Amino acid sequence: RKEVEQDPGPFNVPEGATVAFNCTYSNSASQSFFWYRQDCRKEPKLLMSVYSSGNEDGRFTAQLNRASQYISLLIRDSKLSDSATYLCVVLNQAGTALIFGKGTTLSVSS
Amino acid sequence: GAGVSQSPRYKVAKRGQDVALRCDPISGHVSLFWYQQALGQGPEFLTYFQNEAQLDKSGLPSDRFFAERPEGSVSTLKIQRTQQEDSAVYLCASSPLGPRDEQYFGPGTRLTVT
Repeated sequence: RKEVEQDPGPFNVPEGATVAFNCTYSNSASQSFFWYRQDCRKEPKLLMSVYSSGNEDGRFTAQLNRASQYISLLIRDSKLSDSATYLCVVLNQAGTALIFGKGTTLSVSS
Repeated sequence: GAGVSQSPRYKVAKRGQDVALRCDPISGHVSLFWYQQALGQGPEFLTYFQNEAQLDKSGLPSDRFFAERPEGSVSTLKIQRTQQEDSAVYLCASSPLGPRDEQYFGPGTRLTVT
């Protein structure tokens, strides 16, 4: 079983749609959680950290369920510019390395 | 300010050749990381430096892979006797303090082994 699992998609949605991505992680001792965004043939960039209480940044909401070892990302009012691959990321137990999921591809169309 | 830079951006190597990939982190960043990203996959951790100390090299796939950061700034990832399965994008990232901080990625080096 991979340490971080995501539905690869692709998710194809119209502008203005709400879309949710899910992710599960296998190591219950993991302490830090993130969503990174990667545009085609570009480097990953941090979208947001994920906190136990849940957190929101504009149209983006991230949630963490430690009991289920489950992380989610909700994007409201999708824009064309949201088209990218969204990577679910967990800091390993040793606190030395980021463990990435395969990524979920989102395509927003007009 | 300047971000993380990597060179070369593209490298084609014949099987069996040695290659060296360079990373210039953001100035003053303590931590530096190397990742390998195969097509259609997420980045996979290779190694982590705190200043010049290599604190974790558990992700290096074989003893053909070697990384160094001798003065705590620029880092080099060396791959000896390259094989076709080494073909991937090699990403370098740096962070101000430790791995819990936001990691800033460079554009990567795309290595193709023929």
